[in-house]
Amino acid sequence: GENVEQHPSTLSVQEGDSAVIKCTYSDSASNYFPWYKQELGKGPQLIIDIRSNVGEKKDQRIAVTLNKTAKHFSLHITETQPEDSAVYFCAANPTDSWGKLQFGAGTQVVVTP
Amino acid sequence: EAGVAQSPRYKIIEKRQSVAFWCNPISGHATLYWYQQILGQGPKLLIQFQNNGVVDDSQLPKDRFSAERLKGVDSTLKIQPAKLEDSAVYLCASSLVNTIYFGEGSWLTVV
Repeated sequence: GENVEQHPSTLSVQEGDSAVIKCTYSDSASNYFPWYKQELGKGPQLIIDIRSNVGEKKDQRIAVTLNKTAKHFSLHITETQPEDSAVYFCAANPTDSWGKLQFGAGTQVVVTP
Repeated sequence: EAGVAQSPRYKIIEKRQSVAFWCNPISGHATLYWYQQILGQGPKLLIQFQNNGVVDDSQLPKDRFSAERLKGVDSTLKIQPAKLEDSAVYLCASSLVNTIYFGEGSWLTVV
């Protein structure tokens, strides 16, 4: 089955700096990679996703890159703000089992003013 | 557009008791999921429904967990009897085609 590893587990950045979270996956058949943001006491909120036929996707201050050959994908947050503080999860979905997202362990991001 | 609704938000029960969680997916979403999230971990899929049929329940501990989605809309997840290790957040999610949306979760503490 799919296995997703996520690094780092915690990330502290100064407001205005960039944050990068990296994930690797094991199943080369995975073709959908969403990123979720989870604030304390709330459910995961989809912030961006990427499919295997695309190498990079941007949405304002957030971007995701995918390297299918190396089986890794990354989340980039630029110009971080205090409201970006949360736990971020990457996930991968194999082609043959849609909806069975395999999540990474999460990254606690703290943005200090 | 209303999101995925879940209730209750919080529940504390003693071990060996039973508990039930309810979920109402986003209107029109045919696929419904229950995920379990243990503190400090990513969510793990328990069961997936397509309309009122089960697509995948391979990760559901069937000796104590059960779920149903009658009429293909709302769903209920039940745990009986609960164990201490069932303490977690139970997340309901739904999707129409390609994107999965989560509810706020039902927080369960088993003491």
